[in-house]
Amino acid sequence: GAGVSQSPSNKVTEKGKDVELRCDPISGHTALYWYRQSLGQGLEFLIYFQGNSAPDKSGLPSDRFSAERTGGSVSTLTIQRTQQEDSAVYLCASTQGWSNEKLFFGSGTQLSVL
Amino acid sequence: SQQGEEDPQALSIQEGENATMNCSYKTSINNLQWYRQNSGRGLVHLILIRSNEREKHSGRLRVTLDTSKKSSSLLITASRAADTASYFCATETGGGADGLTFGKGTHLIIQP
Repeated sequence: GAGVSQSPSNKVTEKGKDVELRCDPISGHTALYWYRQSLGQGLEFLIYFQGNSAPDKSGLPSDRFSAERTGGSVSTLTIQRTQQEDSAVYLCASTQGWSNEKLFFGSGTQLSVL
Repeated sequence: SQQGEEDPQALSIQEGENATMNCSYKTSINNLQWYRQNSGRGLVHLILIRSNEREKHSGRLRVTLDTSKKSSSLLITASRAADTASYFCATETGGGADGLTFGKGTHLIIQP
């Protein structure tokens, strides 16, 4: 596709339910990032994938959060037993190579936990 | 921990005026990047300046970097209503994805 695609664009769930957020990066981009942005705040780094290497999970806020990237392309971020504090916009980005330069972002998933 | 910090948090100017936003950071960097975010959704990369560069231009954008003061500024000249957005600086310090840190942003409003 032309850009980074995220789905769903909006997700409303009840506290305690599990949710899956999907990211389809730009074709050929080896680096994939997940960030979280709470209302009016900056971006909080969650997890990073580089090709087929083991992901950098250093930013995951708790063991309820996990992510995988199948075949070096599509990624899924899973939040188990959602809490109200998980409500935020979840942003995915991708780029070429190892440089952390010029990230291309998707439009994000707005997650609301009731 | 917060690396980049934008100043001011919010800025409102008249269309046609110039807008200046600043970013300060704490540790040595490889490069500094500016991104724009409309309506709280996806960010768009605007410009990147490397640690050995002092100034860069792209269209109506001018970025400066002062590594001795650990600060950068983004100037948007001849502002337009469409420039209304939040602007974030991101500092790149290497060492993996956690080497890219975003500030909290400056919210710019251009009054028609």
